Amino acid sequence: GAGVSQTPSNKVTEKGKYVELRCDPISGHTALYWYRQSLGQGPEFLIYFQGTGAADDSGLPNDRFFAVRPEGSVSTLKIQRTERGDSAVYLCASSRMGGEYEQYFGPGTRLTVT
Amino acid sequence: AQSVTQLGSHVSVSEGALVLLRCNYSSSVPPYLFWYVQYPNQGLQLLLKYTSAATLVKGINGFEAEFKKSETSFHLTKPSAHMSDAAEYFCAVSERNAGNMLTFGGGTRLMVKP
Repeated sequence: GAGVSQTPSNKVTEKGKYVELRCDPISGHTALYWYRQSLGQGPEFLIYFQGTGAADDSGLPNDRFFAVRPEGSVSTLKIQRTERGDSAVYLCASSRMGGEYEQYFGPGTRLTVT
Repeated sequence: AQSVTQLGSHVSVSEGALVLLRCNYSSSVPPYLFWYVQYPNQGLQLLLKYTSAATLVKGINGFEAEFKKSETSFHLTKPSAHMSDAAEYFCAVSERNAGNMLTFGGGTRLMVKP
């Protein structure tokens, strides 16, 4: 079966613009996670969905970042008024449940803000 | 808050030599523990995980890790390195009782010399 997919694979945008990053999880996985990986660092948690609701959004850096998962499947991470510091690889993962269950990661979206 | 420390951002071994990648965590209760591998321009792939069973965990590609509660460690080993093992390795923890997100270490880049 298909793994986690993310689109686009690369996104270049100008400072101040709005961007949307999409994640298609593995079918049947109820848990969905967004992480951000800066160059040379480990991924950092952003937000976690269980079904349609955001169970934990404590990792979102500020109110320019927002994510939705309206039907409990596909999720979109939205970044308003992008800044150069937002440049990173944005990773999406899904799992059957949280905790001990393995999270399956997508290939990521590389965001570059110029 | 949890934290994960990976000692050594870069490790170099000769082909056929022992691989030892170190991971220490801080948590008030034994967490779930994971090792992920990331090949260039690819997503994170799970190598192995510790949940609550045997403390010595065997994973894919000949890797294994031992959970040592007294040392709060979860070091990754492989008896004989192969050129194809060259990659970035991340240790991660997930708290059992609160939250489902992964907290990652900074990563260790493994280089294998012929």
